[in-house]
Amino acid sequence: DADVTQTPRNRITKTGKRIMLECSQTKGHDRMYWYRQDPGLGLRLIYYSFDVKDINKGEISDGYSVSRQAQAKFSLSLESAIPNQTALYFCATSEPTGTDTQYFGPGTRLTVL
Amino acid sequence: AQTVTQSQPEMSVQEAETVTLSCTYDTSESNYYLFWYKQPPSRQMILVIRQEAYKQQNATENRFSVNFQKAAKSFSLKISDSQLGDTAMYFCAFAETSGSRLTFGEGTQLTVNP
Repeated sequence: DADVTQTPRNRITKTGKRIMLECSQTKGHDRMYWYRQDPGLGLRLIYYSFDVKDINKGEISDGYSVSRQAQAKFSLSLESAIPNQTALYFCATSEPTGTDTQYFGPGTRLTVL
Repeated sequence: AQTVTQSQPEMSVQEAETVTLSCTYDTSESNYYLFWYKQPPSRQMILVIRQEAYKQQNATENRFSVNFQKAAKSFSLKISDSQLGDTAMYFCAFAETSGSRLTFGEGTQLTVNP
């Protein structure tokens, strides 16, 4: 099932361009997250949001911004892309029940030339 | 800050055999959650198993089980009767009960050979 969707799935862009990655979910979860995955580093948290009015920086937020347009939508922007932002980006959601189980989207492969 | 360490970047196992993936973590919290996620070549992140720190009983899900040693801060994943479809990157992850932020290890690439 496609409870968490991400668009685009793949994107190649040039240094300095503005890029937006979008995430939508039909799970009805309040909490949404953006992670990036780099080889040998696992996944690292960029931003997270516990509801539409609550947005928080993660461990690697520099160079990124986010927008929570609705409960179901959470977008990640790179205002001026640079090559070291080349990575696999994941959106995830979770319920505020204390179980902390997160459900991931299919990922967006971003390449910055 | 919490840290999660997976000391085995790559492992391989023969089909039908058992393999154990290691994970250690560091935290000052007394209650928390631990997870193993699987990432096959499709790159989808799939939850394999989760463990609540206050539960002494080790979690099991079919062929997957964990050995949770709270005092040693160790959380290993055992895969029994390995199948070719188990070939994937496996990530160990930690979550505070209150924060819901996942901290991931570096990952272990598991290859199941026929």
